Amino acid sequence: GENVEQHPSTLSVQEGDSAVIKCTYSDSASNYFPWYKQELGKRPQLIIDIRSNVGEKKDQRIAVTLNKTAKHFSLHITETQPEDSAVYFCAASDSGGGADGLTFGKGTHLIIQP
Amino acid sequence: KAGVTQTPRYLIKTRGQQVTLSCSPISGHRSVSWYQQTPGQGLQFLFEYFSETQRNKGNFPGRFSGRQFSNSRSEMNVSTLELGDSALYLCASSFQGDTGELFFGEGSRLTVL
Repeated sequence: GENVEQHPSTLSVQEGDSAVIKCTYSDSASNYFPWYKQELGKRPQLIIDIRSNVGEKKDQRIAVTLNKTAKHFSLHITETQPEDSAVYFCAASDSGGGADGLTFGKGTHLIIQP
Repeated sequence: KAGVTQTPRYLIKTRGQQVTLSCSPISGHRSVSWYQQTPGQGLQFLFEYFSETQRNKGNFPGRFSGRQFSNSRSEMNVSTLELGDSALYLCASSFQGDTGELFFGEGSRLTVL
């Protein structure tokens, strides 16, 4: 089955700086890579996703890049703000997304220092 | 449109007991999946139901089971509870299971004493 590794487990950055979270996956058939954000005490919510037919996707201050050859993908957050503090989960799926075969990483706790 | 609703939100059980958790998906969503969340372990997939059929199952023992009703509401059951079953159990719904986005409920926090 799919295995997703996520690093780092904790990331502390100064407000205004950029943050990068990296994930690797094992199944070359995976073709859908979402990122979920979970604020303290709240439910995970999708913030961005990418499919294997593109290499990069941006949405305002967040972007995701995908390297299919190396089987890794990354989340980039620029100009970090206090509200970016949360746990971020990457995931991979080989069936288009949703619940089918979605495997999550263990999460990265992002701390934004004022 | 109402979100995913999970009940109960909090519960305390003792070892050996059993527990049933309920999940009402977003109206129109036919896929319901369940995850166990514990500190440092992320979101571990339990199972997924679509139109009352279990389509996928994670690597959990047989003590964990679930079902889905004709109105798409789902329940999961854990029998013979162990201390290690203490966790936040999250339910997520999606339209078909292949549309990309999962909509999570707020979870049911189970404590086993």
